[in-house]
Amino acid sequence: SQTIHQWPATLVQPVGSPLSLECTVEGTSNPNLYWYRQAAGRGLQLLFYSVGIGQISSEVPQNLSASRPQDRQFILSSKKLLLSDSGFYLCAWSPPTGQRNQPQHFGDGTRLSIL
Amino acid sequence: LAKTTQPISMDSYEGQEVNITCSHNNIATNDYITWYQQFPSQGPRFIIQGYKTKVTNEVASLFIPADRKSSTLSLPRVSLSDTAVYYCLVGDPLASKIIFGSGTRLSIRP
Repeated sequence: SQTIHQWPATLVQPVGSPLSLECTVEGTSNPNLYWYRQAAGRGLQLLFYSVGIGQISSEVPQNLSASRPQDRQFILSSKKLLLSDSGFYLCAWSPPTGQRNQPQHFGDGTRLSIL
Repeated sequence: LAKTTQPISMDSYEGQEVNITCSHNNIATNDYITWYQQFPSQGPRFIIQGYKTKVTNEVASLFIPADRKSSTLSLPRVSLSDTAVYYCLVGDPLASKIIFGSGTRLSIRP
């Protein structure tokens, strides 16, 4: 069966520090991968999605970036965190494009607090 | 991508049937309707998905009228553990991305 791992679960970082959140998927090949952010009490905001290695689409311009160095690895990064980057970050995967009727599956999330 | 509109919040009691309606007036031909459940500090969890008419699984039913401009998630005999936020999404899985709206915060009381 497929599993998704996301870490760390919680993270406290000072303003201006760098960020690296990692997400890996097991049990599937060539998945679509997604990074979302959720502010407290709000809906999910799609940040990035990827349909393959090295292919990243950005949905919201900001100081975050994403990379996909391997088929089942998705990394969210920042060179310099802002206070507004605080939130709940979720990684998700879905089967490769072309397989209809398949939902997204989410990790447990990382709660990021910027001080 | 089709925009969805759903109630911000709903309240109900244990043992009742709860129906949450989602409007999606500009749904496209290839779009599927998907519902997710999210508990605090957890990622959303897939509940049910459909294209037209009625879909039922072990946890919920999804009713979609012929014009597909709305859909209703039905939760039978809810319990306290069904207190969560429910998201209605509309999109084409082949488009590689689906946008989440603000969801419906469902509160179940004893």
